[in-house]
Amino acid sequence: DTAVSQTPKYLVTQMGNDKSIKCEQNLGHDTMYWYKQDSKKFLKIMFSYNNKELIINETVPNRFSPKSPDKAHLNLHINSLELGDSAVYFCASSPDRANSPLHFGNGTRLTVT
Amino acid sequence: GEDVEQSLFLSVREGDSSVINCTYTDSSSTYLYWYKQEPGAGLQLLTYIFSNMDMKQDQRLTVLLNKKDKHLSLRIADTQTGDSAIYFCAETPFSGGYNKLIFGAGTRLAVHP
Repeated sequence: DTAVSQTPKYLVTQMGNDKSIKCEQNLGHDTMYWYKQDSKKFLKIMFSYNNKELIINETVPNRFSPKSPDKAHLNLHINSLELGDSAVYFCASSPDRANSPLHFGNGTRLTVT
Repeated sequence: GEDVEQSLFLSVREGDSSVINCTYTDSSSTYLYWYKQEPGAGLQLLTYIFSNMDMKQDQRLTVLLNKKDKHLSLRIADTQTGDSAIYFCAETPFSGGYNKLIFGAGTRLAVHP
């Protein structure tokens, strides 16, 4: 009965490959997010969707493409992976798009070799 | 601008109180949050405070907000070894009506016997 679940937990791949990370929430929330946490634990927002509509798109290379098939799912596809993409990617959700706390998944540790 | 600053490390003895400090820059932040991250895990929402409050208490946790100085603190009473983790402060600058949590770099709390 995990609230925000991400798969896979670990992802090791080579430079140049394309990979996807999936996220699902069963909280009935309207808004979902992707955050990136670097090796120094610094967290930065990448994208946010509200009811399948993209509402936040930070300065992220266009190799990163989020997709939200429905409001309970937000996937992240990364093309042409680079060494600098190695990080932990966190999915999160919130009840609505303003003034509500985020609930985070357990993260996907991506290692690009 | 958007910037949240925290000291990086805090070491306390078991049973003592811990105080983790944070300064933020955006006075439009409606809510301010504290999250906890244990090793290998996601971010767990600990507590949050509305900007028109100056204090909030929740069991062993006390949050103090000084809006004039843009200073937020988290006090953990009777600190236990299970409290060892990274604690993140986050502000919520007004960003077109959307949630956009801006995190500090995190304070690593080490609890020793």
